[in-house]
Amino acid sequence: GAVVSQHPSWVICKSGTSVKIECRSLDFQATTMFWYRQFPKQSLMLMATSNEGSKATYEQGVEKDKFLINHASLTLSTLTVTSAHPEDSSFYICSASFGRAFFGQGTRLTVV
Amino acid sequence: TQLLEQSPQFLSIQEGENLTVYCNSSSVFSSLQWYRQEPGEGPVLLVTVVTGGEVKKLKRLTFQFGDARKDSSLHITAAQTGDTGLYLCAGADTGGFKTIFGAGTRLFVKA
Repeated sequence: GAVVSQHPSWVICKSGTSVKIECRSLDFQATTMFWYRQFPKQSLMLMATSNEGSKATYEQGVEKDKFLINHASLTLSTLTVTSAHPEDSSFYICSASFGRAFFGQGTRLTVV
Repeated sequence: TQLLEQSPQFLSIQEGENLTVYCNSSSVFSSLQWYRQEPGEGPVLLVTVVTGGEVKKLKRLTFQFGDARKDSSLHITAAQTGDTGLYLCAGADTGGFKTIFGAGTRLFVKA
């Protein structure tokens, strides 16, 4: 099946710094990718839809200036958490569609 | 906004017991998926149901899609400790494959 790779798998950063998470579709092209956030013991919450070559579409309540999404190619979308704070600590997961949704392995972000 | 209500959110049972997890919505979905997620990993697809009234079996797991394509259930027969995990139902919108998740059911099977 199709493979979606997410990097890094975990990251620890200092409060106030920015962190970039990459999501790559390894063996297919994806014009659309999705970013989710998952807090401990909770389900996945859709944050935004990443569209290749155009602006991302954010879900209600998600700050677009804080969570910058860039989808510059058909195989790569990036999520940058800007000026990270401890409350941004979470598990971030991306997905890309190829017949159905394929999920990355997730990135655990810890802001200290 | 399409919403999926999943229940129960937590279930603790003895090995060998049966259980059912429900996923309901007021919206019609083009398909519903069931995922299982291990801690620190992305969700792994178990099954996709597409046709109203469809029933799919995966070993001890039975998945049903409601006739109106608004609800689904997951039934596990003779649960094993290896079934412990987070089970998620998810619905895909038509066309965009935008996937919306239910709240999840955390299953714990005791030996």
